[in-house]
Order: sequence, then C-alpha cells, then structure tokens
Amino acid sequence: DIQMTQSPASLSASLGETVTIECLASEDIYSNLAWYQQKPGKSPQLLIYYANSLNDGVPSRFSGSGSGTQYSLKINSLQSEDVSIYFCQQNYDSPWTFGGGTKLELK
Amino acid sequence: EVQLVESGGGLVQPGRSMKLSCAASGFTFNNYDMAWVCQAPKKGLEWVATISYDGSSTYYRDSVKGRFTISRDNAKSTLYLQMDSLRSEDTATYYCARHSLSGYGYWGQGVMVTVSS
Repeated sequence: DIQMTQSPASLSASLGETVTIECLASEDIYSNLAWYQQKPGKSPQLLIYYANSLNDGVPSRFSGSGSGTQYSLKINSLQSEDVSIYFCQQNYDSPWTFGGGTKLELK
Repeated sequence: EVQLVESGGGLVQPGRSMKLSCAASGFTFNNYDMAWVCQAPKKGLEWVATISYDGSSTYYRDSVKGRFTISRDNAKSTLYLQMDSLRSEDTATYYCARHSLSGYGYWGQGVMVTVSS
C-alpha cells in the first residue's frame, strides 16, 4: 500500500498569512494527488486534482505543486473561512490512501 | 446539480449487519465509478470500497474484504454498501463519493454508523 504522510498535523496562522502543507508519498504517484478541505461537520470538498489543477469554484489563493513523492498545498492570504482540516489523497493505485490530515486554525 | 444522499445508518450491535444506500441525481450515474469513504470520529478519511461504472469490478480495503459488499443499481441510480459481521472499529461516518482518477469531486452528506452493544 502507498503511505501518505502529511505535515504538519496542525498549524496556526494569522489572517493574510501564507501557509503550506506538505504530503509525502511512500512511492512515486506520478502527480495523481488530490487535496481536500473539510470544514467542521461537513463533507470533504475537492480543492486540487492532479497535484496542481484547481477544482471549479475554488479560490485562486489555493494552489498545489509537486511531483514524484513530494507534494504541497499553498494557501495565500489566509482567510477566516479557510479554517478547516486539509487532506491529501493519492489516486495512483488501490487502496486509494489519504494523508492523516492537517488542522488549520487562526492564530 | 449533482446530489448524493446517503441513508441507512444508525446503531447496530457487533456481529450484526447493516446496509447503506446512496441515491444519486444530477448526473448520468452509470457513466461513473462510485466509492464509499469512511471517517471514524475525530479521525481521518479512509477509502472503503469502489465499484466500476457497470458493476463489473469491485475493490475493497483489506480490513473490510469478505465482510462488506459494494453494489449498485444503475436503473435506480443507487449505490449500496452491505456491511456484515460489523465490529466496533467500523464505527464511522460513511460517505458515498463519485470516484475518478482525479479524485472525489462529489460527496454525500454522510451517514453515521455506530457499532456498539
């Protein structure tokens, strides 16, 4: 199974700040990487697919990058509505595994 | 508008069975693979099972193989998850999601399954 290691597990940042969340795959997943945002009590929402493609309706302050085994999600100019848990997921091979999540809070 | 609406959750005793349903609308159901993803309380997301668009192929995580069965009725645009021999560690919110190689673009609201005596 492909293991997805996400860091940090939690993050505290100020409004307007730029934050970065990392995701490391245990083997090359050839950019088959998605990022999700889950707000409290809600279903996850797809933010980024194929490592760097922004899903429809997602604000442009979100961006994804990476290749091989290393990927990152960047949020520019943090807004209050970005307080959420963020998950990465590899879509390269079954079982389609998720990272452990990063809880983003406001400082 | 794509909608996925789960039903069938609740409290069940260990060792018993439960069947979840997911009614889909707003898209051509039989064109898409579908999946179940679960989330234990205060925990992360775990893929459970996926079924191909025509039902011919199914995939399961190891911990549910032989106990859970994913199926679909394309005439009714409905996805199912039959869960047998339930264990306390199966306690979670179960989401149905539209599965694609680019990720899960659409999710249901989730249904809670609690396995407890």
